[in-house]
Amino acid sequence: SQQGEEDPQALSIQEGENATMNCSYKTSINNLQWYRQNSGRGLVHLILIRSNEREKHSGRLRVTLDTSKKSSSLLITASRAADTASYFCATAGSIIQGAQKLVFGQGTRLTINP
Amino acid sequence: KAGVTQTPRYLIKTRGQQVTLSCSPISGHRSVSWYQQTPGQGLQFLFEYFSETQRNKGNFPGRFSGRQFSNSRSEMNVSTLELGDSALYLCASSSLGSSYNEQFFGPGTRLTVL
Repeated sequence: SQQGEEDPQALSIQEGENATMNCSYKTSINNLQWYRQNSGRGLVHLILIRSNEREKHSGRLRVTLDTSKKSSSLLITASRAADTASYFCATAGSIIQGAQKLVFGQGTRLTINP
Repeated sequence: KAGVTQTPRYLIKTRGQQVTLSCSPISGHRSVSWYQQTPGQGLQFLFEYFSETQRNKGNFPGRFSGRQFSNSRSEMNVSTLELGDSALYLCASSSLGSSYNEQFFGPGTRLTVL
């Protein structure tokens, strides 16, 4: 079953605008990761944020994590056409919970219009 | 370093047949995970291997099995194929496992069951 629920399911914006995607999860986590997938290809890791972190940056990406609300957000600033892809959040639980698997959300389909 | 490779990239089988998919992880990575991606169910964890041992298994029937060799290469096998097994099968490797660091995904094997 999917732990993460992502919102919105689809997002269409103009190039240069910022894109924000949200992810909610149900159980406690060790870390939360964001991945990008282009047209049914393999996933590309974007950023990992641990449960004791609240915010993390990587280039044009900013991720926040609120463990009290069991939610995370991914912000992409100054979007480009090449950012068009599906974005997935994935949670990794504790060792007791079966640490070796990632539980993915359903993803947000982001389209950047030129 | 070379990335994660998966073979074959595309496969067409008929119901009742069996199939074996192969995954070669990044050199030095000892953890290999398998995921199934379908439009309806999204990304679902199949199993994870570390140093030739299965550490975790998802909620899939026994028709889905896997193994890992001493060189960390992994195979997954699906017997008695059903139409619903049509999916993109993704393999991911990491040095320790998903709870600790990012997963590196291969391009996937697109399986079509007729």
